Amino acid sequence: EAGVAQSPRYKIIEKRQSVAFWCNPISGHATLYWYQQILGQGPKLLIQFQNNGVVDDSQLPKDRFSAERLKGVDSTLKIQPAKLEDSAVYLCASSLSALAGGGNEQFFGPGTRLTVL
Amino acid sequence: GENVEQHPSTLSVQEGDSAVIKCTYSDSASNYFPWYKQELGKRPQLIIDIRSNVGEKKDQRIAVTLNKTAKHFSLHITETQPEDSAVYFCAAYMDSNYQLIWGAGTKLIIKP
Repeated sequence: EAGVAQSPRYKIIEKRQSVAFWCNPISGHATLYWYQQILGQGPKLLIQFQNNGVVDDSQLPKDRFSAERLKGVDSTLKIQPAKLEDSAVYLCASSLSALAGGGNEQFFGPGTRLTVL
Repeated sequence: GENVEQHPSTLSVQEGDSAVIKCTYSDSASNYFPWYKQELGKRPQLIIDIRSNVGEKKDQRIAVTLNKTAKHFSLHITETQPEDSAVYFCAAYMDSNYQLIWGAGTKLIIKP
């Protein structure tokens, strides 16, 4: 079974530039998550999708971050414009279905390490 | 909302000794409690989980215990080995809002 795929693996940009990350979840997984992980901290949920609908985006800085999962499969996360404090690893994860009840394992991709200069 | 507290933030143990990491949660409706291990520079991976209808679960050297009354759960690692060195995260899940709330993490250091 193929795992969660993410690209790019690394990205270096200047502040105020824009950047986009791509994620392809495990086939058949209805729930997709984007996390931000700053060095030395735990993952912070940015947005959670169930198929192509948003379940939770309460911690997404909507003035600069956007995400979509138009066809309910792969997803993109965009930052525009980037700030220095956006430097972090952006992790994508997927699970069978958060809405099925009872909770289930989240499978993480390798992450994208973003450096904003 | 739900809050998960994790202690200690750093734990150093001698190789071969046991390690215990503790978490408390605030919402009694939480019903699923996974533990993730994240090695340096790698992605988090599930190592064990427990549901609210079970008090204890074991998998070789790893065990998790859940006390619903006190609203806390713990990770126990016995006979620690160098490859156990990592950051461990606990989390709590609620059906009511489909959210998984993460603890802040514990850095486990295994001393040779």
